[in-house]
Amino acid sequence: QKEVEQDPGPLSVPEGAIVSLNCTYSNSAFQYFMWYRQYSRKGPELLMYTYSSGNKEDGRFTAQVDKSSKYISLFIRDSQPSDSATYLCAMGGSARQLTFGSGTQLTVLP
Amino acid sequence: DGGITQSPKYLFRKEGQNVTLSCEQNLNHDAMYWYRQDPGQGLRLIYYSQIVNDFQKGDIAEGYSVSREKKESFPLTVTSAQKNPTAFYLCASGQDSNQPQHFGDGTRLSIL
Repeated sequence: QKEVEQDPGPLSVPEGAIVSLNCTYSNSAFQYFMWYRQYSRKGPELLMYTYSSGNKEDGRFTAQVDKSSKYISLFIRDSQPSDSATYLCAMGGSARQLTFGSGTQLTVLP
Repeated sequence: DGGITQSPKYLFRKEGQNVTLSCEQNLNHDAMYWYRQDPGQGLRLIYYSQIVNDFQKGDIAEGYSVSREKKESFPLTVTSAQKNPTAFYLCASGQDSNQPQHFGDGTRLSIL
């Protein structure tokens, strides 16, 4: 079993839809959580960073962490075609490195 | 503009050849990382460095080598011992191991 599981998709939604992206993890040592967005042929860019259970909002993006269930989510409201990308979750803890999910490919159709 | 610069964007390797990928950062970050990205496999850590003149192997270090002579630079050499080098290589940096990492735009390596 991988430490971090992420549904690879692909996921297609119409413009304006609410998108929910999820990751589950098995390592209780993970204490902080990130979401990255990666466009084709580009490096990942940091979208959200949080280290506590609960919700964190930034514009159309909301990151949710449930440490008791070992489950994190990223919600995108009013999705736009420009949101079409691969979304990667990442987690860190006492180890000196991050553990990444395999990424979910999202397409927002105009 | 602060950031991470990777070069070249595309690189081709011949059989038996070593190639070096460049990574430079001007974010004043102590930690730097090299990842390999293959379709459907996410990011796999090759090597990382927490401080100048020190580095550690990641999950898939075989066939690769690195150096960290300057804080700003962390070049990766893909040696001829790496039998399946075709991949997208990403360099990242972070203030420390507990902070988010910031990525360059990658180098795509292919075999001739």
